[in-house]
Amino acid sequence: DIVMTQSPDSLAVSLGERATINCKSSQSVLYSSNNKNYLAWYQQKAGQPPKLLIYWASTRESGVPDRFSGSGSGTDFTLTISSLQAEDVAVYYCQQGWSAPITFGQGTRLEIK
Amino acid sequence: QVQLVQSGAEVKKPGSSVKVSCKASGGTFSSHAINWVRQAPGQGLEWMGGIIPIVDTTNYAQKFQGRVTITTDESTSTAYMQLSSLTSADTAVYYCARAWGLLRVHDSLDIWGQGTLVTVSS
Repeated sequence: DIVMTQSPDSLAVSLGERATINCKSSQSVLYSSNNKNYLAWYQQKAGQPPKLLIYWASTRESGVPDRFSGSGSGTDFTLTISSLQAEDVAVYYCQQGWSAPITFGQGTRLEIK
Repeated sequence: QVQLVQSGAEVKKPGSSVKVSCKASGGTFSSHAINWVRQAPGQGLEWMGGIIPIVDTTNYAQKFQGRVTITTDESTSTAYMQLSSLTSADTAVYYCARAWGLLRVHDSLDIWGQGTLVTVSS
């Protein structure tokens, strides 16, 4: 199984500042046949299901604000929120879709400083 | 736009089984896989398995092999997840979620159900 490890476990950022969350996979999630990284990012607010933010490591899902961006390739990935808003308080998860079983990172709790 | 609507909360006794449903509202599953993911109280996300309805192919996490069964009824665009031999460790919110890509269980999950709380208690 591919192990997904996020850092940090929790993060406190001031409103309007940048937030950065890292995700590392135990093996590459890059498909050579289409040059796509099968890495997704989700946002989960309290009492709600997860919401897909980013897929293929850097493609924003429709309707997701452009302050959210994803980067990285192979085994190392980053989710960046360029200017933190109050509504961004949530737990963020990375997930690999390269192979079954689907695996998630342990989550990063993002709070306002 | 397809929505996934899940059945209501359940309370079960240890050793029993639970069957949770997930109905596609506003469309069908088509060639997208339906996955099941659970979340224990205060914990992270755990993938249980998935099914590609159009070819009736399933893929289960090894942890749940022999205890979980995922099926679909294409006539009603409903997926089901049955989990047997329940223990208190199975107390969790269970989500169904659609895979983004076609004919592929493992992918990003773009549409999620609202979740079903299953409580296992004597």
